[in-house]
Amino acid sequence: SQQGEEDPQALSIQEGENATMNCSYKTSINNLQWYRQNSGRGLVHLILIRSNEREKHSGRLRVTLDTSKKSSSLLITASRAADTASYFCATPQETSGSRLTFGEGTQLTVNP
Amino acid sequence: DAGITQSPRHKVTETGTPVTLRCHQTENHRYMYWYRQDPGHGLRLIHYSYGVKDTDKGEVSDGYSVSRSKTEDFLLTLESATSSQTSVYFCAISDRGGQNTDTQYFGPGTRLTVL
Repeated sequence: SQQGEEDPQALSIQEGENATMNCSYKTSINNLQWYRQNSGRGLVHLILIRSNEREKHSGRLRVTLDTSKKSSSLLITASRAADTASYFCATPQETSGSRLTFGEGTQLTVNP
Repeated sequence: DAGITQSPRHKVTETGTPVTLRCHQTENHRYMYWYRQDPGHGLRLIHYSYGVKDTDKGEVSDGYSVSRSKTEDFLLTLESATSSQTSVYFCAISDRGGQNTDTQYFGPGTRLTVL
């Protein structure tokens, strides 16, 4: 099964609300990354959190990492219609750190 | 998508024909990757390259081959296309590998349909 698995698979909210997505993984990791994919486009890197970090912020994004639970969450505050996209977590493969394993993603819809 | 282009962007082909997809980067990054993206499967690695003429298989490499004769170009070839290879293909690049892996930057994708 996937190293990273996002939850929920789909999320629909109103503009201005916060959106929280979760990611679980199975093996020890050095870092965890979050990516966004707008419809019909390639993935875009959002944020990387290292295993010795518990929380990281970037603009309206807040990422947490709990290595004891092997889980991460991505919080988008004050969401906008432009945040509508799929969000993926990615973790380095244990056998080859140059390779990433992506989850299946959370489809976020922000309604105006 | 800056610095990474993929060609063609769309292609329709018939079962049994060979197909080559090209990824071109202007960032001089060492690592290049080919993924396919399908509903219900997320993003899966096909092959990757860690330098000129240095390539390795990913998790779904059967039916695909790759070549990298120059730093900037990474070619993905379907020797004899099958309908199961209908997918969206993404190229990605990365500046550094190893356990402290760096960010990957993605191209715009190629939508391939095999009839």
